[in-house]
Amino acid sequence: KAGVTQTPRYLIKTRGQQVTLSCSPISGHRSVSWYQQTPGQGLQFLFEYFSETQRNKGNFPGRFSGRQFSNSRSEMNVSTLELGDSALYLCASTPWGTGAYFRGYTFGSGTRLTVV
Amino acid sequence: KQEVTQIPAALSVPEGENLVLNCSFTDSAIYNLQWFRQDPGKGLTSLLLIQSSQREQTSGRLNASLDKSSGRSTLYIAASQPGDSATYLCAVSMGETSGSRLTFGEGTQLTVNP
Repeated sequence: KAGVTQTPRYLIKTRGQQVTLSCSPISGHRSVSWYQQTPGQGLQFLFEYFSETQRNKGNFPGRFSGRQFSNSRSEMNVSTLELGDSALYLCASTPWGTGAYFRGYTFGSGTRLTVV
Repeated sequence: KQEVTQIPAALSVPEGENLVLNCSFTDSAIYNLQWFRQDPGKGLTSLLLIQSSQREQTSGRLNASLDKSSGRSTLYIAASQPGDSATYLCAVSMGETSGSRLTFGEGTQLTVNP
């Protein structure tokens, strides 16, 4: 069974540009979440999509946006890149489930974004 | 606002030693807690998931316990091996439904020396 696939693995962009990252969840998983990991701030929640709807959003500026397609694949976009956006961006997926039926999150390997 | 703290920040042990990693959280109204490991430059690998109604979970040499009332969880690693060297992260979820955001600790960097 394929895991969570994130593309590309590495990316170098110039300040002011925009970037789009992709995440393909495990087959059957309908929830996709995005996290940013930096040495200074650790892992921080960006947003979560479920059935093509953004259900939850972290405290990031509007330059960070995302979407989810009908096949549950998700994309994250960052516009007007800043040096501080350099980070490892991780995507996680989970099947639908509540309470005791919740099955935990499976993370992808991440996209390492460097802004120069 | 939920805050998660992990102690110690770093730990170095000789191979074969049993060890305990600690995680504490400020808001005890969690729905579940998950332990992950992260190898340098890589994504997160799920180790154990503990539902709020459970007290512990075991997988191989790993055992995780949860005490909601005191806001604590521990990850016990038995007979440590050099391959266990990684950063261990705990994360709590405040929501009952899948997709609820995780709040992570800063992690414990573990080094197991041969």
